[in-house]
Amino acid sequence: EVQLVESGGGLVQSGGSLRLSCAASGFTFTIYWMHWVRQAPGKGLVWVSRIYGDGSSISYADSVRGRFTVSRDTAKNTVYLQMNSLRGEDTAVYFCARASRNCSGGNCHSTDAFDIWGQGTMVTVSS
Amino acid sequence: QSALTQPASVSGSPGQSITISCTGTSSDVGGHDFVSWYQQHPDKAPKLMIYEVSNRPSGISIRFSGSKSGNTASLTISGLQAEDEADYYCSSYSSSNTQVFGTGTKVTVL
Repeated sequence: EVQLVESGGGLVQSGGSLRLSCAASGFTFTIYWMHWVRQAPGKGLVWVSRIYGDGSSISYADSVRGRFTVSRDTAKNTVYLQMNSLRGEDTAVYFCARASRNCSGGNCHSTDAFDIWGQGTMVTVSS
Repeated sequence: QSALTQPASVSGSPGQSITISCTGTSSDVGGHDFVSWYQQHPDKAPKLMIYEVSNRPSGISIRFSGSKSGNTASLTISGLQAEDEADYYCSSYSSSNTQVFGTGTKVTVL
């Protein structure tokens, strides 16, 4: 079964750090872009970060650049989000998601559409 | 990285069709065909409904369709059903290798 399972959320004080994990199973981990998306309570979805299969390409939203670091361990099929200097506005459910691939005639590309999502892990930053 | 603009709410009666718009710029919606749509029920993870503007993943009802014109993408739900009541979000790849979501639309089935 293809699935993503997040862990590592919890309550942390403002200025603190937390590391989220996203364990993947059921698919070839190294050929997919993996993303982090967050959702503050009662609010909409916000894209946070992405990392390519071999970890060679990484991007961040402006709101977290310099504070968050995404990485992956291909041996463990796991993506991580290291969150430092946390603020109240970082309080949210954090989802990891896989970007699907579209293949035609032997050529494949990422669709930048998230076909597999984890269940989410809640991060609460207290002041 | 400003959020794409969606109407806050759209409603319709069972059997009717509704359309949700998603307006961005030439740097995101207008500049790429990597526009996708998600359905989210309360306390659930989002579910992919449309990818690359108009493609439906396996298992998604043909009642859901997508299109794009200029900087605005649209999701149409035909034959509205009670289970379609949910929040809907668009998303687009954006220049500088980032991604952006829409503000979200609450669909109510009257």
